[in-house]
Amino acid sequence: KNQVEQSPQSLIILEGKNCTLQCNYTVSPFSNLRWYKQDTGRGPVSLTIMTFSENTKSNGRYTATLDADTKQSSLHITASQLSDSASYICVVTLSGGSYIPTFGRGTSLIVHP
Amino acid sequence: NAGVTQTPKFQVLKTGQSMTLQCAQDMNHEYMSWYRQDPGMGLRLIHYSVGAGITDQGEVPNGYNVSRSTTEDFPLRLLSAAPSQTSVYFCASSYSGQFTDTQYFGPGTRLTVL
Repeated sequence: KNQVEQSPQSLIILEGKNCTLQCNYTVSPFSNLRWYKQDTGRGPVSLTIMTFSENTKSNGRYTATLDADTKQSSLHITASQLSDSASYICVVTLSGGSYIPTFGRGTSLIVHP
Repeated sequence: NAGVTQTPKFQVLKTGQSMTLQCAQDMNHEYMSWYRQDPGMGLRLIHYSVGAGITDQGEVPNGYNVSRSTTEDFPLRLLSAAPSQTSVYFCASSYSGQFTDTQYFGPGTRLTVL
């Protein structure tokens, strides 16, 4: 069964610190991997999209990496801010015309002042 | 642009009642979809549409109906609500549904079935 596993489940850091969130997947054949940010009580917002041929993508202080060989991705947040407190969700989509993505359960990040 | 809008924001139903969750987008997107989000689980796709008049089932379609008569609207109907359908429902849209398209999510509808 296609799966997306995220770690850690939750993370607490101090404002200004960096952090890295992990995503491992078994989805195959792989098409693309996305990272979303979901604030409490709101819908997810897209941060990055990477195809199998890309190994890094940045969006401001957010940098996503992808290793398609090991089926691993990471999201690195630099110089964290209080507004980074949210759930970060990894999503993987099959290739071959499927419109059904597989969502991870998310990592809950809390940034303390 | 309002983006993706959903109504209502909150709803409480009794078992067996029916209702329709509304979703609209003003970005002229062809692809629209409905997800449910349950505690401790990832979002799961219920139904999706690649254009007006075309719909298809996602991962968890049972108990839900959809139709797409216009590009803008994609309502989700619960025919006979069950407690297992208590969840937060999100509608999303993208330009064409291609794998590299950005998906835009609505603010969600929190549904409780008693």
